[in-house]
This record gives sequence, structure tokens and C-alpha cells, in this order.
Amino acid sequence: AQSVTQLDSHVSVSEGTPVLLRCNYSSSYSPSLFWYVQHPNKGLQLLLKYTSAATLVKGINGFEAEFKKSETSFHLTKPSAHMSDAAEYFCVVSASDSSASKIIFGSGTRLSIRP
Amino acid sequence: GAGVSQTPSNKVTEKGKYVELRCDPISGHTALYWYRQSLGQGPEFLIYFQGTGAADDSGLPNDRFFAVRPEGSVSTLKIQRTERGDSAVYLCASSLNPGTSTDTQYFGPGTRLTVL
Repeated sequence: AQSVTQLDSHVSVSEGTPVLLRCNYSSSYSPSLFWYVQHPNKGLQLLLKYTSAATLVKGINGFEAEFKKSETSFHLTKPSAHMSDAAEYFCVVSASDSSASKIIFGSGTRLSIRP
Repeated sequence: GAGVSQTPSNKVTEKGKYVELRCDPISGHTALYWYRQSLGQGPEFLIYFQGTGAADDSGLPNDRFFAVRPEGSVSTLKIQRTERGDSAVYLCASSLNPGTSTDTQYFGPGTRLTVL
């Protein structure tokens, strides 16, 4: 069965420093992978997605993620954190090879930004 | 344009009561999804509609949960004989390209259900 593991439940960084949110996936095929962000009392917003094209995926708000098949990882990065980046981040994997209509969420990483 | 909307935003009910949660998808999106998010967890898949029919309802926890989408647009999630363990945020999403590897889901703000 497909699954994702978010290695950190909470990450805290200072404003202006790099962000790294780690995600490992388990899949028997090359999956579709997504990162979503959830701000307090707001809906989930898609940050970026990987669907077997370029392995380095650029998303909104300066975030990017790199698909590394050999490491089964899809870590989310940003060069310089902003206070508005404080939120919950979810790594997501598709549940089947041909369809991303059923997706599986990780348990989330809460990102805090220190002034 | 308008995103996915969900009503009510909050619902408080008593154990044993019946509740209905509504989802209005993005116009033109043929696929609609329901998820449940418990405190401190990621969303869990409940059911997925393609058009009017449920393409996959494998995530519904038991027969107290039921969802309909009679005209292929608005959907209602129905929970009978609510239990305290049903308390969660219920999320709805919709998408344009169901059944493809590039399908992307767009989420509503959720309905927070509290069962007393």
C-alpha cells in the first residue's frame, strides 16, 4: 500500500533562514506527489505537485520540492522563510499508478517562524 | 472565480442526532471528494464521486455515513446516530481531471462538527 511519512511533526526556523520539511513515500510505482499547506482556519491550498515530469518542482510562494526516487523522498524547501509561511504542511501521495483521484495524506508538519 | 464552498462552517450536535453537511464544488469540476480530519492528523479519504455516482466509497467508516450527489454538482454528507468520535473537520474537494495521474484536488474550508 502507498504511504507517506513526514519525518518532523514540528519545525521551527528564524525568519530569513532556509526551510526544509522532510517527506518520504512508499510506493510500488512512480507516484504523483503533492505538498499542501493549511493556514489556521483556512482550507488546504496546493503548493506544488510532481507527476513524473521534471524532478525539481517549483511551487507557489517560493517553495520547491525535489523528487528523489533512489531515496524515496520528496522534501519541501524554501531559501528564506517569511512570517506568513507559518502553517501546517502536508505531503500527499496518489493511491494508484494511473490516477491521482484517491490521495493519501501524511500526518503533517507544523512550521513555526521565529522573528 | 469561486472556490469550493462548504456549509455550515460549524455544526454542534448531540450524540445520537442526524446531521447533513453540504459541499458546493468548483463549477465544471466533475469529481468531488469528502475527507475527515481529526485533531492533529492529516485528512483521511472518505468517498469520491465522479458525476452522480460514488466511484470509491472505501473510506466511509461504517453504515452511519452516507453521501449523495444527485445532480452531479452539490453533494451532501449525511451522518446518522452521531457519536462523539465523529467530531472532526469534514473537508470537501473537487477536481477537473478525475482518474488521471495529473488530477489535482481543490479544497473547501471545511465544516467543523462537534458531537456533544
